[in-house]
Amino acid sequence: ILNVEQSPQSLHVQEGDSTNFTCSFPSSNFYALHWYRWETAKSPEALFVMTLNGDEKKKGRISATLNTKEGYSYLYIKGSQPEDSATYLCAYNNAGGTSYGKLTFGQGTILTVHP
Amino acid sequence: DVKVTQSSRYLVKRTGEKVFLECVQDMDHENMFWYRQDPGLGLRLIYFSYDVKMKEKGDIPEGYSVSREKKERFSLILESASTNQTSMYLCASSPPPEFNYGYTFGSGTRLTVV
Repeated sequence: ILNVEQSPQSLHVQEGDSTNFTCSFPSSNFYALHWYRWETAKSPEALFVMTLNGDEKKKGRISATLNTKEGYSYLYIKGSQPEDSATYLCAYNNAGGTSYGKLTFGQGTILTVHP
Repeated sequence: DVKVTQSSRYLVKRTGEKVFLECVQDMDHENMFWYRQDPGLGLRLIYFSYDVKMKEKGDIPEGYSVSREKKERFSLILESASTNQTSMYLCASSPPPEFNYGYTFGSGTRLTVV
């Protein structure tokens, strides 16, 4: 079983704070790294799919970076808002065989933004 | 709006029952997946399918089987439900990974086995 680790497990911030989380994954046989946002009572929603070392993606106030050589990705939220409160999941896709396309998820970071 | 639909949001079943969880997608995706989510353990892959009638075991397949007779439908079967299968079950679909497209998830089925 591949090991995908996320830190911290949970985070409480005040509205307006900027924050970031970490995802670490195996650096061998890398194919892609995904980020998802999972709000309570909703389905997980894809934020980013990153494939290239040095990739940076941005969606509004949320951005992500990728380092495939050392096996980590950062997710940043600038000026957090209460509606950003959710569980943020990263997931690793390794290359090869019929298993490619399968994602291994980290445990998630639970973000709570206080007004 | 593209969708993955899971047949039930909440389900209560008795120990030993055979349970079917249904998932239907309308995006013509090749890949479909079943995950379960438990507190502190994250999403764990039970089974996945990359084509009709094709399936592969995930990380925790014991006690489960799957069926994919049509491209749009992927069923998870609990052959004899047990209390340790009480969990949130999530279905997802995706095109092949070279599309660099994230999973589309269903809304989940919270199964309680009593």
